[in-house]
Amino acid sequence: DTAVSQTPKYLVTQMGNDKSIKCEQNLGHDTMYWYKQDSKKFLKIMFSYNNKELIINETVPNRFSPKSPDKAHLNLHINSLELGDSAVYFCASSQELGTGGYNEQFFGPGTRLTVL
Amino acid sequence: AQSVTQLGSHVSVSEGALVLLRCNYSSSVPPYLFWYVQYPNQGLQLLLKYTSAATLVKGINGFEAEFKKSETSFHLTKPSAHMSDAAEYFCAVRPDRGSTLGRLYFGRGTQLTVWP
Repeated sequence: DTAVSQTPKYLVTQMGNDKSIKCEQNLGHDTMYWYKQDSKKFLKIMFSYNNKELIINETVPNRFSPKSPDKAHLNLHINSLELGDSAVYFCASSQELGTGGYNEQFFGPGTRLTVL
Repeated sequence: AQSVTQLGSHVSVSEGALVLLRCNYSSSVPPYLFWYVQYPNQGLQLLLKYTSAATLVKGINGFEAEFKKSETSFHLTKPSAHMSDAAEYFCAVRPDRGSTLGRLYFGRGTQLTVWP
């Protein structure tokens, strides 16, 4: 069974469109994340949710809106897509509560978003 | 601000040679440190982590890393490279130990090429 899954794996769309990426984890973790990997492979955190509560919200345009319907899911909705949004988006999860914070984050396979 | 520096964006070695990937971090307190590997078109996989139990950490696939507080370094090594080690390697720091933020700061990655 896949621990952290994302759909779709590839997403090609036109500028100005709205799209969503879904993420699900079956590890029972209480914290989920979205990272963006740019064309130079630099990884940067975008959002973090702990028990459905937004914990980290980096300097990300308002066009990006995460939604966590439950602890196992964290979706990313992007409005009015721009060329610069083209990247690979990774979802991750970890167990934070009760672990002292040293548990590693498990990453999904990524979603390659291409905006034309 | 926290930062992670990976010296050398590209490292090339011959099969059977020593692999050394360098990572230096900046943190006011000893952080948690991680090495992740990313194979082409895949997500990140944890190689090993430092959580203050031991300064020499052994990971998967024969990799190990040594935490040196005086040098603020966490270099990754493998005695003998294998063709299958060719991938992108990321060093990551979690500076806020014990908090629930779960924020990871990544280095810019080192692409390892292994020549036959």
